[in-house]
Amino acid sequence: DGGITQSPKYLFRKEGQNVTLSCEQNLNHDAMYWYRQDPGQGLRLIYYSQIVNDFQKGDIAEGYSVSREKKESFPLTVTSAQKNPTAFYLCASSIVPTNYGYTFGSGTRLTVV
Amino acid sequence: GENVEQHPSTLSVQEGDSAVIKCTYSDSASNYFPWYKQELGKGPQLIIDIRSNVGEKKDQRIAVTLNKTAKHFSLHITETQPEDSAVYFCAASRSGSARQLTFGSGTQLTVLP
Repeated sequence: DGGITQSPKYLFRKEGQNVTLSCEQNLNHDAMYWYRQDPGQGLRLIYYSQIVNDFQKGDIAEGYSVSREKKESFPLTVTSAQKNPTAFYLCASSIVPTNYGYTFGSGTRLTVV
Repeated sequence: GENVEQHPSTLSVQEGDSAVIKCTYSDSASNYFPWYKQELGKGPQLIIDIRSNVGEKKDQRIAVTLNKTAKHFSLHITETQPEDSAVYFCAASRSGSARQLTFGSGTQLTVLP
């Protein structure tokens, strides 16, 4: 079955440590996205990519970095510069141009310990 | 850019009653409006969408209405069941928009047995 796989499901980060969240899709979608979700809040866009080797900052890109070396993969690195990284992170993909909905992964819950 | 407002933030209904969630958008060029359902600890799933060339769309117990003049759209769930309890997000986008979907802040729907 086609879909988006996020791993790990739970991740713990120590202060000052970088961590990378994985996102892989086999839907042959061109565009991929990373969102952050805090308790009781909506989805805030971190980064998005419409094509391999190209990506753009979203609304809250500070303290995060991404790469898009393959169409199927869009990993997100949460750096030590992100002062409040504890959140639920969602990856999504879509056809371009997008006049259809996104397909979301099941999310990664990141906690700073 | 686009701004999507969603109301109410929480909604409780008795099983069998109807639930209505409303969203307004700011960009008159937006032409695609999906709705997502997010269960606890999972990624959002597309449940219904509507494009600007129609005013209403139904899928079994779910319907969405769109008023382009007033720039608002609504989700209607009839004969609610406990499994409808979840967070619902509306979103808006326009063709050719590199930023794609803008999400509302979400509505926590609780269906009381």
